[in-house]
Amino acid sequence: QQQVKQSPQSLIVQKGGISIINCAYENTAFDYFPWYQQFPGKGPALLIAIRPDVSEKKEGRFTISFNKSAKQFSLHIMDSQPGDSATYFCAASKETSGSRLTFGEGTQLTVNP
Amino acid sequence: DAGITQSPRHKVTETGTPVTLRCHQTENHRYMYWYRQDPGHGLRLIHYSYGVKDTDKGEVSDGYSVSRSKTEDFLLTLESATSSQTSVYFCAIRENLAGGQSEQFFGPGTRLTVL
Repeated sequence: QQQVKQSPQSLIVQKGGISIINCAYENTAFDYFPWYQQFPGKGPALLIAIRPDVSEKKEGRFTISFNKSAKQFSLHIMDSQPGDSATYFCAASKETSGSRLTFGEGTQLTVNP
Repeated sequence: DAGITQSPRHKVTETGTPVTLRCHQTENHRYMYWYRQDPGHGLRLIHYSYGVKDTDKGEVSDGYSVSRSKTEDFLLTLESATSSQTSVYFCAIRENLAGGQSEQFFGPGTRLTVL
């Protein structure tokens, strides 16, 4: 049972454009929602994370939007750059339950120059 | 890299052989995790540890065992490797932040091929 569904599977964006990746979750007990960025041959790196007490969090060009009632959250990459080309994973966990992360399937982002 | 190393980084083995992967951390984190990454599945939790000799199962624990005899090392063992265990294995640690919050950081991964 996939508790976190991520879309799209792949995304191609032009340099300077906005990349949007969406995730939906089922378990209402989840209280921590991170996004990870992964380059080929590397481990996932924490990019940005949000907790459900806020609806949006912004760090530089990266923004998470969170909709608790819809059980959805999304990553927006503004002014996308070729260096942003990577695989992005959303995840969710319940911090009082060992912080076991449940991941989405991943999105392969390509930013064309 | 949160002081996490994994060894070996690459391994090719044959079906039926035992395999042990090692995760080592240098920052005395209490929680450690083993995930596997497969195309179309993201990362899935195999086992995790919340202290020395304290471990619990994740969502894909069948065929795997773990041990944690000291804080810095978390070992993942495949008792009898199968081709379905061909994957990339990632270790992670949980870093505690202020206010009871935490974040997970991942190691560089081990690519395991079972022939």
